[in-house]
Amino acid sequence: RKEVEQDPGPFNVPEGATVAFNCTYSNSASQSFFWYRQDCRKEPKLLMSVYSSGNEDGRFTAQLNRASQYISLLIRDSKLCDSATYLCVVTFNDMRFGAGTRLTVKP
Amino acid sequence: GAGVSQSPRYKVAKRGQDVALRCDPISGHVSLFWYQQALGQGPEFLTYFQNEAQLDKSGLPSDRFFAERPEGSVSTLKIQRTQQEDSAVYLCASSSGGSPGNTIYFGEGSWLTVV
Repeated sequence: RKEVEQDPGPFNVPEGATVAFNCTYSNSASQSFFWYRQDCRKEPKLLMSVYSSGNEDGRFTAQLNRASQYISLLIRDSKLCDSATYLCVVTFNDMRFGAGTRLTVKP
Repeated sequence: GAGVSQSPRYKVAKRGQDVALRCDPISGHVSLFWYQQALGQGPEFLTYFQNEAQLDKSGLPSDRFFAERPEGSVSTLKIQRTQQEDSAVYLCASSSGGSPGNTIYFGEGSWLTVV
């Protein structure tokens, strides 16, 4: 079993839709959690950190459920420019990435 | 520039050739990571340095892979006797903190193709 698992998608949604991505992790001692965004042929870039209390940044909401070892990312009112691969990241002694979930937002 | 710099950006190697990939982290960053990303996959952890100390090399796929950071800044990932399955993007990342929970910043990657 991989340490970080994500639904690979692809998710194809119309502009304005709400879309949610899920991620599970296997190490219960994991300490920090992030969502990164990766555009085609580009390096990953930090989208947002994830906290137990949940956090929101504009149209993006991230949540962590430590008991279920589960992380989510919700994107509201999706835009064309949200099209990318979203990577779930979990840290313990180092940073481990999920395989990514591909999102395509269509007009 | 002020970001993580990697070289070469693109490398084509013949099977069996040795390659060396260089990473210049952001100045002053303590932690440095190497990842391997195959097409359509997420980055796979290779190794992690804190200053010059290699704290974790559990992700290196074989003894053909070797990484060093002798002075705690620039790092080199060396792949000996390259094979076709080594074809991937090799991403270097750095962070300011000494623990992996800090934000990491990636370079643009070194794209390796083994023919």
